Amino acid sequence: EIVLTQSPGTLSLSPGERATLSCRASQSVSSSYLAWFQQKPGQAPRLLIFGASSRATGIPDRFSGSGSGTDFTLTISRLEPEDFAVYYCQQYGSSPLTFGGGTKVEIK
Amino acid sequence: EVQVVESGGGLVKPGGSLRLSCAASGFTFSNAWMHWVRQAPGKGLEWVGRIKSTTDGGTTEYAAPVKGRFTISRDDSKNTLYLQMNSLRTDDTAVYYCTRLVIVPAGTSYWGQGTLVTVSA
Repeated sequence: EIVLTQSPGTLSLSPGERATLSCRASQSVSSSYLAWFQQKPGQAPRLLIFGASSRATGIPDRFSGSGSGTDFTLTISRLEPEDFAVYYCQQYGSSPLTFGGGTKVEIK
Repeated sequence: EVQVVESGGGLVKPGGSLRLSCAASGFTFSNAWMHWVRQAPGKGLEWVGRIKSTTDGGTTEYAAPVKGRFTISRDDSKNTLYLQMNSLRTDDTAVYYCTRLVIVPAGTSYWGQGTLVTVSA
């Protein structure tokens, strides 16, 4: 099983600042089958990034993904008020599929 | 418009059983690999299992904590996904989401609103 470790657990930032979230895998993620999801309280997760670096449909370009192998990053270039949420990475290249523990981006 | 609607959640005693349903519309359900994902109260997301499309064999895979207790099935004639949960434990308490997780190359993902399963004496 591929274990995904996200850091930091919580990120305290102000609107307009840049957010950098990390996701490290215990073994190489097949073909960069790595996705990022955003989740707000009481809502289902929303897909932001798939294939490590491709933005999902309708996702603003302030969200970007990078990385390969075992190290992946989600960057939010300038935080908007609606971006404060919990973010999860997820690998879908090998079974069992797994999620990281999440990074909460909160308002400083 | 895509709709994914889960139902069947509720309160069940430890050791009991429950069957969740997920009604899908707005996309070709028979071609879709479908998943169940759960989220315990205040915790992160946990993949439960998936079923491939019938054309891809309809096979299932499960996470270790539920293997042997949970069964995923589908009825393509009704565009419905099921999760049969047996031998329920208190740590199965969670919101259960039905989802078409990552659709490539379209770059979309379909989720229901979730249904709460509470396992408690």
